[in-house]
Amino acid sequence: QQQVKQSPQSLIVQKGGISIINCAYENTAFDYFPWYQQFPGKGPALLIAIRPDVSEKKEGRFTISFNKSAKQFSLHIMDSQPGDSATYFCAADKAAGNKLTFGGGTRVLVKP
Amino acid sequence: DAGVIQSPRHEVTEMGQEVTLRCKPISGHDYLFWYRQTMMRGLELLIYFNNNVPIDDSGMPEDRFSAKMPNASFSTLKIQPSEPRDSAVYFCASRRDLGFGGSYEQFFGPGTRLTVL
Repeated sequence: QQQVKQSPQSLIVQKGGISIINCAYENTAFDYFPWYQQFPGKGPALLIAIRPDVSEKKEGRFTISFNKSAKQFSLHIMDSQPGDSATYFCAADKAAGNKLTFGGGTRVLVKP
Repeated sequence: DAGVIQSPRHEVTEMGQEVTLRCKPISGHDYLFWYRQTMMRGLELLIYFNNNVPIDDSGMPEDRFSAKMPNASFSTLKIQPSEPRDSAVYFCASRRDLGFGGSYEQFFGPGTRLTVL
């Protein structure tokens, strides 16, 4: 059972454009929603995270939007840069939990 | 801090051989996780430890897989005997709490790319 569904699988965007990645979850007990960024040959690294008590969180050019009723959350990368080219994973965990459930990943390519 | 350290970075072995992957977590982190990443199945949690004690090994695919954490600074993941379908990138991660509402950050190592021929 895939508890966190991520789309699209891949995304091509022009430099300066907006990249949008969407995730949907099934388990209403999920309470912590991080996004990880992974470059080729590297391990994933935490990018930004949100809890359901807020609907949006912004850090620099990266914004998470959260819709609790729809059980969906998304990552927006504003003013996308070639250095943002990577694979992005959404994830979810329960309150006081210890097991991140990852989405399938989105490969983002930013063209100069 | 050097981050999470994994060795070897690459391992090529033949079917039936024993494979041992090693991990040194970040000092002071009391959780350690082993993941497997493949194109088909994405990132899968295999097992995690808290204070060196295995807490949940429900993700370990078969009895051929075993993991140990003899002390706070070292863990191993062993596959015996290895099979071609075990080919994947294996990540070790350790965790620190962020101090607000149960949020935390997992730091991943660079991974071990395992190829079983």
